[in-house]
Amino acid sequence: DQQVKQNSPSLSVQEGRISILNCDYTNSMFDYFLWYKKYPAEGPTFLISISSIKDKNEDGRFTVFLNKSAKHLSLHIVPSQPGDSAVYFCAASVSQGNLIFGKGTKLSVKP
Amino acid sequence: DSGVTQTPKHLITATGQRVTLRCSPRSGDLSVYWYQQSLDQGLQFLIQYYNGEERAKGNILERFSAQQFPDLHSELNLSSLELGDSALYFCASSVASRAGELFFGEGSRLTVL
Repeated sequence: DQQVKQNSPSLSVQEGRISILNCDYTNSMFDYFLWYKKYPAEGPTFLISISSIKDKNEDGRFTVFLNKSAKHLSLHIVPSQPGDSAVYFCAASVSQGNLIFGKGTKLSVKP
Repeated sequence: DSGVTQTPKHLITATGQRVTLRCSPRSGDLSVYWYQQSLDQGLQFLIQYYNGEERAKGNILERFSAQQFPDLHSELNLSSLELGDSALYFCASSVASRAGELFFGEGSRLTVL
């Protein structure tokens, strides 16, 4: 049973536009959420996180939104750049315990 | 460069064999985590060690085992290998016993023929 779901395997956007990556979760005990980015032949790298006491966290071009009632979070990238092309993983944990990852969404940003 | 080192990067072996994957965490990190990424799958948590002791276990098969040594490096042992064990195996580390932000190595790609 997947506790963290990324229902879109891939997303293609134009350079300069907004990229929105979505993630749903089923475990209401999750209280810490993270996004990781992964380039081919590299390990995942931490991008941004959000605690369940917040509904938004922003870091430069990256913003994560959390909707606890809908058990949904999203990552917004504005403006999107070709270098953002990668696989993005959503992850969640309970009390910063072990991270449960989604299957990832492959983002392609076209020049 | 995350500071986490994994060896080997690639490994090809036959069914029934045994392999050992090695991980050196970032300097100062006490926790080591092992994850498996199979084709079209997310990162599946296998096991966590903190300062030499097993802290948490995920979906790790009985044929797999791990340990963390006094110098904090860790090894993941995979035995009686099956075709389905072919995957990317990632090691990650963090300072504390709680996950939070993990720093991942580049992974070890295991191919079982």
